[in-house]
Amino acid sequence: SQKIEQNSEALNIQEGKTATLTCNYTNYSPAYLQWYRQDPGRGPVFLLLIRENEKEKRKERLKVTFDTTLKQSLFHITASQPADSATYLCALEGTGFQKLVFGTGTRLLVSP
Amino acid sequence: GAVVSQHPSWVICKSGTSVKIECRSLDFQATTMFWYRQFPKQSLMLMATSNEGSKATYEQGVEKDKFLINHASLTLSTLTVTSAHPEDSSFYICSGGSSGNTIYFGEGSWLTVV
Repeated sequence: SQKIEQNSEALNIQEGKTATLTCNYTNYSPAYLQWYRQDPGRGPVFLLLIRENEKEKRKERLKVTFDTTLKQSLFHITASQPADSATYLCALEGTGFQKLVFGTGTRLLVSP
Repeated sequence: GAVVSQHPSWVICKSGTSVKIECRSLDFQATTMFWYRQFPKQSLMLMATSNEGSKATYEQGVEKDKFLINHASLTLSTLTVTSAHPEDSSFYICSGGSSGNTIYFGEGSWLTVV
């Protein structure tokens, strides 16, 4: 069956360090992969989208890599700040346009 | 950027009653919107695809007679939880998009059934 896995344990890092979050998937051949940020009690906020033919994408302090052979995406936040503390979700397109299937998310805690 | 608005942000209802949640696209027309449900510390689970002017498409295991979806216009989709029970208490989120693959999510609606 199709599965999207993210590390369920919280990631604790110090301010200024680079945070790296992992998203692994099985039994998917996604056209693209997306990363979202979700704060407690709020809806997800879109961060980045990377297509299957792209290896890497950057946006300000964010970087996403996509390895379709390993079926893995890495999400990096450089020079992390306490304001980056949130849950980060990866999502793949399901069986229809814009129909997303989400991973369980990884909670990031950035300490001052 | 595009905005998706949900109302109410939170609602408490008595067991057995029905509650309606609205999802509006504020600056774009959404022929398709999606409804998700999220239980505490779990991921978003897609419930149904809401299609403007036609019947919604429900995911496996989601009762269409319990979760009524109406998408009567290009800017409004509604989810009605009928005969709500405490196990329906959850965070309900809608999403929609208009251009390319950008998807916008609402702020979510907390439902508590007592």
